[in-house]
Amino acid sequence: DADVTQTPRNRITKTGKRIMLECSQTKGHDRMYWYRQDPGLGLRLIYYSFDVKDINKGEISDGYSVSRQAQAKFSLSLESAIPNQTALYFCATQAGRSEQFFGPGTRLTVL
Amino acid sequence: KNEVEQSPQNLTAQEGEFITINCSYSVGISALHWLQQHPGGGIVSLFMLSSGKKKHGRLIATINIQEKHSSLHITASHPRDSAVYICAVPGGGADGLTFGKGTHLIIQP
Repeated sequence: DADVTQTPRNRITKTGKRIMLECSQTKGHDRMYWYRQDPGLGLRLIYYSFDVKDINKGEISDGYSVSRQAQAKFSLSLESAIPNQTALYFCATQAGRSEQFFGPGTRLTVL
Repeated sequence: KNEVEQSPQNLTAQEGEFITINCSYSVGISALHWLQQHPGGGIVSLFMLSSGKKKHGRLIATINIQEKHSSLHITASHPRDSAVYICAVPGGGADGLTFGKGTHLIIQP
């Protein structure tokens, strides 16, 4: 089984809908991250978390919120989705200052 | 904020060729990451290095901290090496990464 999983893997939704993307890990890592990837722009940091009580905004947090329900779970929410949030979303985990492990990605399309 | 530049953006080569991908960054760092993204979209960490050189199979990564520059080399390239190679450095908070835009590599048989 994969160490970092994301659900759903693909989602098509409409403008204004609330969407939640979920990330789970079995690696026991303390740090978790949400990134989005857009063609021509590369990957950018949305939110990150040191542990359950620590949530921090990244480079492009506007329009997003997160929840760290447990050490193993980190969810990303779009309260009211808009078309320019169409992107590929990645969750990643990290133990201290080591390499990061990425989930398989969620392809989100907002119509 | 650290600015990360990769070159080339696109590279097509023949099987067996020696490949070099370059990465430069603007602010001093503790470590640099090289990642590989396959056509299916998944991202895999290849290397994390803070000095010198690391080797894994046919892949070699080097870094020059003083010059703020790193290179990823692929020896005896193979079509299965076709992927996007991404350089990344800490800078987004809690070592959240700042990424280059990637190098799209195609190895033709």
